[in-house]
Amino acid sequence: NFMLTQPHSVSESPGKTVTISCTRSSGSIASNYVQWYQQRPGSSPTTVIYEDNQRPSGVPDRFSGSIDSSSNSASLTISGLKTEDEADYYCQSYDSSSVVFGGGTKLTVL
Amino acid sequence: QLQLQESGPGLVKPSETLSLTCTVSGGSISSSSYYWGWIRQPPGKGLEWIGSIYYSGSTYYNPSLKSRVTISVDTSKNQFSLKLSSVTAADTAVYYCARLKKYAFDIWGQGTMVTVSS
Repeated sequence: NFMLTQPHSVSESPGKTVTISCTRSSGSIASNYVQWYQQRPGSSPTTVIYEDNQRPSGVPDRFSGSIDSSSNSASLTISGLKTEDEADYYCQSYDSSSVVFGGGTKLTVL
Repeated sequence: QLQLQESGPGLVKPSETLSLTCTVSGGSISSSSYYWGWIRQPPGKGLEWIGSIYYSGSTYYNPSLKSRVTISVDTSKNQFSLKLSSVTAADTAVYYCARLKKYAFDIWGQGTMVTVSS
C-alpha cells in the first residue's frame, strides 16, 4: 500500500494564496485521481476538489487542484484567502483495492 | 436530497464488537453508480478509511483493519452496517458513513462518536 504525506500545518494572511502539498510514497500520483476535502471544526468533511482538479458545484474558483509527476505530488491551491477558509484539509487517493487519506493539513488564516 | 445517518451505541467495552448502521434516505442504496463507505477519525487526529461496499455486497477493507472488520448491506432497509471486533481504546473515534461516487466521498453523514471504555 502507499501513503500520502501532507504538511502538518500552513498559515497565510487573508487575501494571499496558499498551496498545500500531498506526496504519494509509492506508485505514480498520476495513476489514480486525487481528491481534497475541507473539514471545519465539529463538521463532516466536504469535497473541494475531485479527480485532481475538478470543483464540485458551489465550491468557489479560488480553490484549484493540480498534480506534478516530477515530485509525485498533488497540490491544493487556495487564492484570495478568506478567514472562512481556515480548516483542516485532507487529500485522498486510492489504488486497486484501497482508499488512502493523507494525514491532514491545518490551514490558519491570520 | 440524499442524506446519510449513522446510528449505534456510543460506548463499547474493550474486547467487544462495535456495531454501527448507516441509513440512506432520499435515494436508493442500490444505485449502480456508487459504493458506500465507513471512515473514522480519532479525537484530534486525521481521517482513516475503514472499508467500502457495493449494493451487491462486494467489499473492500483497509488492510490494517481487515481482520476485525465486516461491512454488510441491507438493500431492503436502504442501510449498510459496520462491525469492528475486539475493540480497544485505539478504536475510539468519530465514525462517518459516506457515499463514494467514483473516486470521491461526496456525501457524508454527520458522524457518530464511539468511545471504547469499560
